[in-house]
Amino acid sequence: SAVISQKPSRDICQRGTSLTIQCQVDSQVTMMFWYRQQPGQSLTLIATANQGSEATYESGFVIDKFPISRPNLTFSTLTVSNMSPEDSSIYLCSVEARISDTEAFFGQGTRLTVV
Amino acid sequence: AQKVTQAQTEISVVEKEDVTLDCVYETRDTTYYLFWYKQPPSGELVFLIRRNSFDEQNEISGRYSWNFQKSTSSFNFTITASQVVDSAVYFCALSEAGGAQKLVFGQGTRLTINP
Repeated sequence: SAVISQKPSRDICQRGTSLTIQCQVDSQVTMMFWYRQQPGQSLTLIATANQGSEATYESGFVIDKFPISRPNLTFSTLTVSNMSPEDSSIYLCSVEARISDTEAFFGQGTRLTVV
Repeated sequence: AQKVTQAQTEISVVEKEDVTLDCVYETRDTTYYLFWYKQPPSGELVFLIRRNSFDEQNEISGRYSWNFQKSTSSFNFTITASQVVDSAVYFCALSEAGGAQKLVFGQGTRLTINP
């Protein structure tokens, strides 16, 4: 199984600022995914990040608001830009492991509060 | 379009009772994957099971069991002899792209086990 480290685990940020969340995997993976979980809600996919190409965003999410980097096969970042209180959520990174495609593993999440 | 419905928003039972969490899904694909995840209060997502659409055998893992019925598009999850540590939010999810690609999540069921 893949081990996913996500940083920071939580943060409190001022509105109008930006936060970059890091996701590190202990093995090379083809695809990485970023999800958002608003308070009391389910998880919604933000985008899919492939190494060497631009991220693919889901409906309702745009690159200017959630820029993503994928510089190599073990690392990705998600930036939440120009934050507002509505961005307060848990952000989770997920991977599809090359070794086995039997599970979707998730990082421990980043709990973001915007004040 | 893909959709996962968990009609039970909250369930509360007394310890040692059996409890079943319902999951109904919609998909046009013949190949798909179904998942269950547990989210304890700490926020991380804990993988419980993955089932592909060609395997309708029921699964048992300790106190956990899953009933997959394609005829009713359901993938229900039963906890036998529930324990307080089972208290969490449980999510059912669907992947159409095969393996552990993009997941569509249900709204989740908050399970509370009372001592």
